[in-house]
Amino acid sequence: SQQGEEDPQALSIQEGENATMNCSYKTSINNLQWYRQNSGRGLVHLILIRSNEREKHSGRLRVTLDTSKKSSSLLITASRAADTASYFCATDASGANSKLTFGKGITLSVRP
Amino acid sequence: KAGVTQTPRYLIKTRGQQVTLSCSPISGHRSVSWYQQTPGQGLQFLFEYFSETQRNKGNFPGRFSGRQFSNSRSEMNVSTLELGDSALYLCASNRLGAGGANVLTFGAGSRLTVL
Repeated sequence: SQQGEEDPQALSIQEGENATMNCSYKTSINNLQWYRQNSGRGLVHLILIRSNEREKHSGRLRVTLDTSKKSSSLLITASRAADTASYFCATDASGANSKLTFGKGITLSVRP
Repeated sequence: KAGVTQTPRYLIKTRGQQVTLSCSPISGHRSVSWYQQTPGQGLQFLFEYFSETQRNKGNFPGRFSGRQFSNSRSEMNVSTLELGDSALYLCASNRLGAGGANVLTFGAGSRLTVL
């Protein structure tokens, strides 16, 4: 079963605009991560936020985490055509030997 | 350093056959996880191996199995293939240091088509 669920399922924006993607999850977590996948390829880790953090930045990426609402958002600022990809949130649940559980992903299209 | 290498990249099988997929993790990474990705179900966790032991297992039938060798390379096997097994099979490795977070480095995947 999916732990994380992303919203929206698909997003289309113009180059230069900001893209905001949301993720909700169900159980307690150690951390939440965002990954990107270009068509038919493997996933690439973007950013990790721990359960005791509220906001994290990495370049044009900003991720927030609200553990009381069990939700996270990923903001990509000043989007580029090269940002076109699928984005997944993944939760690392509390407990020993936990595994990463992925949502179904958001398809982002950035129009040049 | 080399990334996670999966072979073969593409393969076509028929129903009832079996298939073996291979994964070489990043040097020094001892944990290998396998995921199945389909358009309908997204990424589904298959299993994780650490130091040749299966440490975690997803909700897949016994037709799906795996193993890890002493050099951390891993294989997964699917027997008696069904049409629904058509998917992208992704392998990921993880260094897993003490107190380290579970951050995965993925291979490019093996695209399996079952006819």
